[in-house]
Amino acid sequence: GESVGLHLPTLSVQEGDNSIINCAYSNSASDYFIWYKQESGKGPQFIIDIRSNMDKRQGQRVTVLLNKTVKHLSLQIAATQPGDSAVYFCAENMVAAGNKLTFGGGTRVLVKP
Amino acid sequence: EPEVTQTPSHQVTQMGQEVILRCVPISNHLYFYWYRQILGQKVEFLVSFYNNEISEKSEIFDDQFSVERPDGSNFTLKIRSTKLEDSAMYFCASPDGSEVGGYTFGSGTRLTVV
Repeated sequence: GESVGLHLPTLSVQEGDNSIINCAYSNSASDYFIWYKQESGKGPQFIIDIRSNMDKRQGQRVTVLLNKTVKHLSLQIAATQPGDSAVYFCAENMVAAGNKLTFGGGTRVLVKP
Repeated sequence: EPEVTQTPSHQVTQMGQEVILRCVPISNHLYFYWYRQILGQKVEFLVSFYNNEISEKSEIFDDQFSVERPDGSNFTLKIRSTKLEDSAMYFCASPDGSEVGGYTFGSGTRLTVV
């Protein structure tokens, strides 16, 4: 069946370094791909999304890359800060499916001081 | 910034009991969603609710689950006879209108079935 998954369950990164979180997806019909951040005890928080007809989108300290050829999505966080420590989920959204989100399994990012 | 409010934050219930989880979504939105996250696992779609009726539901959302919008602002998820495997975080979500993927999630209700 269709699925969204992650390569790395845990990523440790030094404060100030850049982080890269990866995600593989299999549903080529998805319209949007989204990254969420989840801190302990909280709900997922929207970070950034990218339409399926784009290959790169930048936000504040974050960049999402979409490679449709290999069905790969990544989130780059520049100058990682302690507040970036969280679990990061990729998700896909298909408008025809009522905008419901299909989430991947999550990557935990630990920022070392 | 618009918020989605969920109550209670934590509920403990005995197996077989009914629970009602409450949400106040972002106003003026027609689409509402419930998602579930079993501890340590990914977030899973349960149900979408549009214009006062269920738009889509997942396999998880069986006959024990129901959703209502009882008074035009609150949005509830009811589990009629809870099972141990219903223990999870339950999140309510509203699209926030800024981005198609830009859902605003509530902080969740942690349901523990004993």
